[in-house]
Amino acid sequence: DTAVSQTPKYLVTQMGNDKSIKCEQNLGHDTMYWYKQDSKKFLKIMFSYNNKELIINETVPNRFSPKSPDKAHLNLHINSLELGDSAVYFCASSHRGGGFREQFFGPGTRLTVL
Amino acid sequence: EDQVTQSPEALRLQEGESSSLNCSYTVSGLRGLFWYRQDPGKGPEFLFTLYSAGEEKEKERLKATLTKKESFLHITAPKPEDSATYLCAVQARAGGTSYGKLTFGQGTILTVHP
Repeated sequence: DTAVSQTPKYLVTQMGNDKSIKCEQNLGHDTMYWYKQDSKKFLKIMFSYNNKELIINETVPNRFSPKSPDKAHLNLHINSLELGDSAVYFCASSHRGGGFREQFFGPGTRLTVL
Repeated sequence: EDQVTQSPEALRLQEGESSSLNCSYTVSGLRGLFWYRQDPGKGPEFLFTLYSAGEEKEKERLKATLTKKESFLHITAPKPEDSATYLCAVQARAGGTSYGKLTFGQGTILTVHP
């Protein structure tokens, strides 16, 4: 009965590689998010999609490109990985109706760039 | 810019020793204040949403309150299983580029000793 799932859970790769993280939610929500949690545990929003439309795009390097094939899926592709990209990436989802209600988070993907 | 500051950074309690966690915030029009619990290696788990000053919500040993400048998470007679990082986040009123965006504090690491 997983609500928000992410794959993979761990990702170890070399600098310069390209990688993707996938996210799926079965809650029937229409809005999905990507957050980055750094080594100091600060959670910071990166992107948000509502019904496949990009609605939040924070100051993120354009090496990061989100893609939403449908409202239940939001993937994150990262090009030319750098050491500073090492972090835990969380996907979340919520309903937009009623003014964006509480967000439900996935288990996270720990990305390590060597 | 929305800001959230949580204190203390870490809190150690004996089982049964009640205490409070603080979340101070500045936001351009509060839509909602959210409390999450995060266990090591997992995603944040939703606890409460508070919408207006004076509002209170309870769940088991936890009680969240809200004023115009801060929120408190009161923990009554905590147990070791309450040990986790507690995160506070604010959401500004919808509009512009802030749709659904959560701004998080750095969290309070709570440890409850038996």
